[in-house]
Amino acid sequence: EVQLMESGGGGVKPGGSLRLSCAASGFIFKSYSMNWVRQAPGKGLEWVSSIASSDDYIYYADSVKGRFTISRDNAKNSIYLQMNSLRAEDTGVYYCARETLTGWYEGNDYWGQGTLVTVSA
Amino acid sequence: QSVLTQPPSASGTPGQRVTISCSGSSSNVGSNTVHWYQQLPGTAPKLLIHTNNQRPSGVPDRFSGSKSGTSASLAISELQSEDEADYYCGAWDDSLDGGVFGGGTKLTVL
Repeated sequence: EVQLMESGGGGVKPGGSLRLSCAASGFIFKSYSMNWVRQAPGKGLEWVSSIASSDDYIYYADSVKGRFTISRDNAKNSIYLQMNSLRAEDTGVYYCARETLTGWYEGNDYWGQGTLVTVSA
Repeated sequence: QSVLTQPPSASGTPGQRVTISCSGSSSNVGSNTVHWYQQLPGTAPKLLIHTNNQRPSGVPDRFSGSKSGTSASLAISELQSEDEADYYCGAWDDSLDGGVFGGGTKLTVL
């Protein structure tokens, strides 16, 4: 059974840092591109970052570029999101999601349950 | 303001067919594939359609996707009360070099 489990969320003051983790199981992790997607309270989905299966391609939303860093450890079946210089507008639920194998960004077929990040003074 | 445009709401009665539109541009919908998600309150999104019109296993064939030019649509036939949820379209944007989503459509089953 495919499972994605995020952790690392919590409350932090503006300007602070958090590191999110996503542990994957039930599939050949090193074969899949992975994404972080977030959702502010009461709002829609926002793509945050993507990392290819062998981390040779990495992309970021303009809203997080220069502040967030995505990485993966295929030996540990995990992806990470290092979030620095956090702002109030970064508040939301952060999901990690697995891409389908059909091609680049053609759909996220499995999602974690999400981890809540709250940035507030 | 989302890059992909969806109607904020849609509605239908049980048994009806409903369509939700997703309008983009040549850099996203026009040149890349579209995917659709269903999100029930308090839960993670669920993939309904990938690669424009492909249903993952387990998704009922009442859900179908299509794309023409810079627009895409999700159709839900034989509407059921459990279809009441938020629906999102997504795609890759070559100009932004990133993923984009629609603002979401809240479907109400009357």
